[in-house]
Amino acid sequence: EIVLTQSPGTLSLSPGERATLSCRASQSVSSSYLAWYQQKPGQAPRLLIYGASSRATGIPDRFSGSGSGTDFTLTISRLEPEDFAVYYCQQYGSSPPRTFGQGTKVEIK
Amino acid sequence: QVQLQESGPGLVKPSGTLSLTCAVSGGSISSSNWWSWVRQPPGKGLEWIGEIYHSGSTNYNPSLKSRVTISVDKSKNQFSLKLSSVTAADTAVYYCARVGITVTTSGWFDPWGQGTLVTVSS
Repeated sequence: EIVLTQSPGTLSLSPGERATLSCRASQSVSSSYLAWYQQKPGQAPRLLIYGASSRATGIPDRFSGSGSGTDFTLTISRLEPEDFAVYYCQQYGSSPPRTFGQGTKVEIK
Repeated sequence: QVQLQESGPGLVKPSGTLSLTCAVSGGSISSSNWWSWVRQPPGKGLEWIGEIYHSGSTNYNPSLKSRVTISVDKSKNQFSLKLSSVTAADTAVYYCARVGITVTTSGWFDPWGQGTLVTVSS
């Protein structure tokens, strides 16, 4: 099973700042099969990125994903008030189980 | 667009069986997608439970495999989750989700149902 470790646990930033979130895998994630989700309190997760760098439908271009192998990054270029939330990475390698990171909370500084 | 809606009892007794259904609307469960269950204990992260294809093929999380059954009802365009021998540790919000697919790959979750809280308590 691939274990995903996200860092930092909490990121305190101001609107307009750049957010950089990390997701590190315990072994190589095949073909960059990695996704990112945003979750707000009381809501289901929302897909942001799949295939490490492909934005899902309707996701603003301030969200971008990069990385390969064991190191992946989600970048929010300029934080909007609605971007303060918890973010999860998820790998979907060649076979299940599909696993999630423990999450990074982006909070208002 | 495809929408998913979970339903089922919100309270289950310890040692009992948790049963939930996910109704799919706006699309067919017999499409090329797999269909999945994910849970989230209160205040904690996400855990994948398992998935099913319309043919009935399934994949389960090894940590839950002995207690989980996922089934599909194509006539009702829905799929279901059963989790047996539940304990307080199974208290969580349970989500159903479609497994995304492109020509070359599959495995992310989109969209998700709104989720349903299931509490295990006597």
